[in-house]
Formats: sequence, C-alpha cells, structure tokens
Amino acid sequence: KAGVTQTPRYLIKTRGQQVTLSCSPISGHRSVSWYQQTPGQGLQFLFEYFSETQRNKGNFPGRFSGRQFSNSRSEMNVSTLELGDSALYLCASSLEGTGITGELFFGEGSRLTVL
Amino acid sequence: KQEVTQIPAALSVPEGENLVLNCSFTDSAIYNLQWFRQDPGKGLTSLLLIQSSQREQTSGRLNASLDKSSGRSTLYIAASQPGDSATYLCAVIGLSNTGKLIFGQGTTLQVKP
Repeated sequence: KAGVTQTPRYLIKTRGQQVTLSCSPISGHRSVSWYQQTPGQGLQFLFEYFSETQRNKGNFPGRFSGRQFSNSRSEMNVSTLELGDSALYLCASSLEGTGITGELFFGEGSRLTVL
Repeated sequence: KQEVTQIPAALSVPEGENLVLNCSFTDSAIYNLQWFRQDPGKGLTSLLLIQSSQREQTSGRLNASLDKSSGRSTLYIAASQPGDSATYLCAVIGLSNTGKLIFGQGTTLQVKP
C-alpha cells in the first residue's frame, strides 16, 4: 500500500513568486493536513481538509491556501513568497480525521527555498 | 493554549542502553498522543499512537506510556541501536483543536556504536 506522496520534493523560488505543492494521501484516507517545519518554529499546523472541506486552519496569513479534490488529493498554494517561507512542508493523511483518534501518516515533504 | 515540551533536547548514549524520552503537555484534555521519528531531511514516521483512554502502547523495542492527569508521556527504547539515531517528536490533539496536532520541539538522539 503506497504511503503519502508529496511533489515536488525540492524547489527553489524567488521572492514574490507563488508555489503550488501537491499531496496524494494513502488510498482510502479522506483527511489531509498540512504542516510547516522550520528550525526556529518547529512544526506548525497550516490547515486540514476532509471530504473537500477545510475543517481547521492554523495561524498563517492569507497567502497560504489549500484545497482538496474529490479523490482526496490536496494542494497547497503560497502566493507572494517571502524569505521566511523557506521551510519543509509536510502533508499528512488520516483515515477519518485527527479529531476522531485517527493516526496521522506523513509524506517525505516538499523542501521550499525562497531566494 | 496547549503547549508540548520535550526533555532533553538532545541525548547521546552508547549502543545497548535502555533510554527514556519525555514529553509533557499543559492541557490534559486530549484526544490522543502520537510519537514520531524523523531522520534528517525526511518526513515523519509514526511510531506509536496512544488514545486518551489508553495508558500505554508497545511496538517491538518501543513502549510509550500516557498519564493524562499529570500531562506526561514517556517513550522507552530498549537496547538502543545506532539505527535508532534520529529526532523523536511527540504530538497531541486537544479536544478543542480538532484536526490539529501540537508538536513538541523534539529530542535528537544519537546512539554511538
């Protein structure tokens, strides 16, 4: 059974550009959540989607957005990139949702560098 | 506001030792607690999930306990091996934060041959 797949694995952008990251959850999982990991702030929650609906959102500016498709695949977008957006972006999937005692499974992440 | 703390931040032990990693959280109203392992530059690997009604979970050489009343969890690693070297993270989901894991800063473990 394939795990959580994130693409691209690495990317370099310049300030002001935008980026779209993709996440394919484990087959059958309907909940997808996104996290940002930086050396200074650690792992921080961005948002969670379940059945194409955003159920929860972290404390990030509106430049960070996401969506989920009918096949549970998810994308997140960051517009007007800033140097501070350089981070490892991790996607996690869960069978029913983390709020219902579901175990989260993470992908390998997308490493974004903003120059 | 839920806060998760992991002590120590770093740990170096010789191969074969049994060791304990600590995790504490400020709000005992949690759905579950999950322990992860992260290798450098990689994603997170789930090790153990303890639901709020459980006291412990075991997988191979790993044993995790949960004491909700005191806001503590421990991860016990038996007979450590160099391959156990990684950063270990604990995370909780609070009753008021459905869908959102709150992570500690992690304990970086080095097991020397």
